[in-house]
Amino acid sequence: DAGITQSPRHKVTETGTPVTLRCHQTENHRYMYWYRQDPGHGLRLIHYSYGVKDTDKGEVSDGYSVSRSKTEDFLLTLESATSSQTSVYFCAIRGTGGVSPLHFGNGTRLTVT
Amino acid sequence: DQQVKQNSPSLSVQEGRISILNCDYTNSMFDYFLWYKKYPAEGPTFLISISSIKDKNEDGRFTVFLNKSAKHLSLHIVPSQPGDSAVYFCAVSGSRLTFGEGTQLTVNP
Repeated sequence: DAGITQSPRHKVTETGTPVTLRCHQTENHRYMYWYRQDPGHGLRLIHYSYGVKDTDKGEVSDGYSVSRSKTEDFLLTLESATSSQTSVYFCAIRGTGGVSPLHFGNGTRLTVT
Repeated sequence: DQQVKQNSPSLSVQEGRISILNCDYTNSMFDYFLWYKKYPAEGPTFLISISSIKDKNEDGRFTVFLNKSAKHLSLHIVPSQPGDSAVYFCAVSGSRLTFGEGTQLTVNP
């Protein structure tokens, strides 16, 4: 498995509270991504990073922010969690060789009550 | 604006038979196509891919077919095995990777 660790694996939080999910990689890959998976929607891109301090929005970025201060860590923050952000969140990494496939972590299941 | 669609949420086949999973896309500029497999409580794992300059790519029991005129992608698994039971996502690569909704494949012993 590609060296990707997501933490926490499960979290329950209340509406309005801030939440930060962490993705840690040991592959020294340049590209990192945050996706959410919801029934009927597949995997949708939230934000991605193409280097330290270089990030950009994906298709469902509203309500989320990210930070990448080190190559190995990519943080996803929900500033004020809402019930619509209940989902499974996946981090992915990709190397720079041609069209490299994404390698995913095992996900974080977030429930916002 | 759904750029990638997997119209079958689920598919059930008998062990040893062929499984065919389908995917349709809207943008003829996509240049690379991938299939991922996902087991419960795990992340998706890359399965097989195909470039837009090809119409078929085979890897063991898995074959991906690309019909560019129909904007259609399919994954054939033969023979199907119970361990193939998983959710399969197709994905298309343009400026970024876009995934379909997924198809739950169940292979019955």
